[in-house]
Amino acid sequence: EVQLVESGGGLVKPGGSLRLSCAASGFTFSRYGMNWVRQAPGKGLEWVSSISSSSSYIYYADSMKGRFTISRDNAKNSLYLQMNSLRAEDTAVYYCARNGDVDYWGQGTLVTVSS
Amino acid sequence: DIQMTQSPSSLSASVGDRVTITCRASQGIRNDLNWYQQKPGKAPKRLIYAASSLQSGVPSRFSGSGSGTEFTLTISSLQPEDFATYYCLQHNTYLLTFGGGTKVEIK
Repeated sequence: EVQLVESGGGLVKPGGSLRLSCAASGFTFSRYGMNWVRQAPGKGLEWVSSISSSSSYIYYADSMKGRFTISRDNAKNSLYLQMNSLRAEDTAVYYCARNGDVDYWGQGTLVTVSS
Repeated sequence: DIQMTQSPSSLSASVGDRVTITCRASQGIRNDLNWYQQKPGKAPKRLIYAASSLQSGVPSRFSGSGSGTEFTLTISSLQPEDFATYYCLQHNTYLLTFGGGTKVEIK
């Protein structure tokens, strides 16, 4: 069974940093591209970033470029999102999701940016 | 970037109704489109992939159609458990984009 479990969310002050993790199991992690998708409270889904299976290709939504860094460790079956210079508008549930066509999702981790 | 325009943004329907939701892409995306269902406090669940293929385990009352720029999700006979928010997603380009969502509410 495919499982994706996010962690690392919490309360952070504006301008602060946070690192999210996503632990994958139930499939061969190293064969799949991965994504981060977020959802602000009461709002729709917003794609954040994608990384290819070998980390050769990385993409970001414009509003995250230069502030967020996606990475992965295939030996640890883990995906990461380093978030710097956080703003109030980054407050959201952050989901990791598998594959270029986004088939499986984790349960999400809440990031709250507030003073 | 490809924009996805989803309509309506909300609708009210009764159990047993036929419901149709539409997504329009700002440029052709072949059939690189998925539909998701999301219930409050839960992660989205994929219902349809490749525009018209039913995800394993999803009831057959859900169907998808379309190609290019116009796509439709149809629920043939709305059930109580179908009241949720639905999203389309295009994955034709590396910059993924979601539709704005359709909230299906009880009439």
